[in-house]
Amino acid sequence: SQQGEEDPQALSIQEGENATMNCSYKTSINNLQWYRQNSGRGLVHLILIRSNEREKHSGRLRVTLDTSKKSSSLLITASRAADTASYFCATDAHGTYKYIFGTGTRLKVLA
Amino acid sequence: GAGVSQSPSNKVTEKGKDVELRCDPISGHTALYWYRQSLGQGLEFLIYFQGNSAPDKSGLPSDRFSAERTGGSVSTLTIQRTQQEDSAVYLCASSLAQLGYEQFFGPGTRLTVL
Repeated sequence: SQQGEEDPQALSIQEGENATMNCSYKTSINNLQWYRQNSGRGLVHLILIRSNEREKHSGRLRVTLDTSKKSSSLLITASRAADTASYFCATDAHGTYKYIFGTGTRLKVLA
Repeated sequence: GAGVSQSPSNKVTEKGKDVELRCDPISGHTALYWYRQSLGQGLEFLIYFQGNSAPDKSGLPSDRFSAERTGGSVSTLTIQRTQQEDSAVYLCASSLAQLGYEQFFGPGTRLTVL
């Protein structure tokens, strides 16, 4: 079964709005990563947050992690049409070296 | 520098044939992962290599699937007696170390089994 589940499955917003997507996971983790996938550039790493961190920023991206709820959120501020893509969270199951990806959120930013 | 490369980019085969998919990781990356992604779905973990350690094969869906990594660099994923349900994009990724490092993904091999 999937370690990570993102919601919503799909999200459509206007350019300039903020987009929030969530990821829930099942077992304890060492770290959680967010990736973006679009047809032009394939899968690209966005940000990594460690289990002892609660919030991390990178440009227009803000990631939070709540280990007590086993959940993370990715916020994209001031969205652009180029942000249109699928976004995946990936978690390592604590004690293993493999990453499990969630089902993804398909984000569409309308110009 | 060069990123992760995969070949072929597309492979069409007939049911029952064997296929080999190749991955060239970034030089110096000790960890290598194989994933499978079906249309519109997330990534399914297949196998993980780290240095000279025994690979983690826990994600391989059946004994028709196997992978090797020669000399700690190039990896080959082999699917024997392909089935239509094997049709998917097969993605390879490499990273500097097994935990806490981002994975760099290749462009994938799109496999179609007729």
